[in-house]
Amino acid sequence: DGGITQSPKYLFRKEGQNVTLSCEQNLNHDAMYWYRQDPGQGLRLIYYSQIVNDFQKGDIAEGYSVSREKKESFPLTVTSAQKNPTAFYLCASSPNWAPGTQYFGPGTRLLVL
Amino acid sequence: AQSVTQLDSHVSVSEGTPVLLRCNYSSSYSPSLFWYVQHPNKGLQLLLKYTSAATLVKGINGFEAEFKKSETSFHLTKPSAHMSDAAEYFCVIPSEDSNYQLIWGAGTKLIIKP
Repeated sequence: DGGITQSPKYLFRKEGQNVTLSCEQNLNHDAMYWYRQDPGQGLRLIYYSQIVNDFQKGDIAEGYSVSREKKESFPLTVTSAQKNPTAFYLCASSPNWAPGTQYFGPGTRLLVL
Repeated sequence: AQSVTQLDSHVSVSEGTPVLLRCNYSSSYSPSLFWYVQHPNKGLQLLLKYTSAATLVKGINGFEAEFKKSETSFHLTKPSAHMSDAAEYFCVIPSEDSNYQLIWGAGTKLIIKP
């Protein structure tokens, strides 16, 4: 089955700790995205990548970092500089010829201890 | 500046009655338009999209939406609600700066009463 997997489903972060969220896709999509979702708000774009070894900041990139070393993988690191990291994080991918048609993973809920 | 406004944060309907979820957008051109659905604690799924072909767009699960340029609206409808339609629905347009950056409405939570 083709799709997007995210792990873990739940993640706990201690003060001052960096944590990494995993996102893998087997849809052969060039573009991948990370969003943050807070209650009562729409999705906000953190980073996106149109192609391997290239990525761009979205609207709320501060306190986050990404890498795109393989087409299938787009991990997100939430650094200690992100002061309010508690949120639901969603990864998505799309073909470059239809970037608005995005396929989403099941999400990772990050909680701060 | 571009924006998407979903006029209702919550909509409650009885099972078997029609559904109307309202969306207005602001953009300097006629963009593509999308509706996505999110079931509780799940990822999102594309429901339907408008890309300047027919103004009435049919999507999955019996939903449809009509693009009205004069009203800058893209309301989502369904003739008869089912319990499985209970979810949050998001109206979306691409940014003028980049098609890769989407502008999301705040979402409308659809509640289905038995």
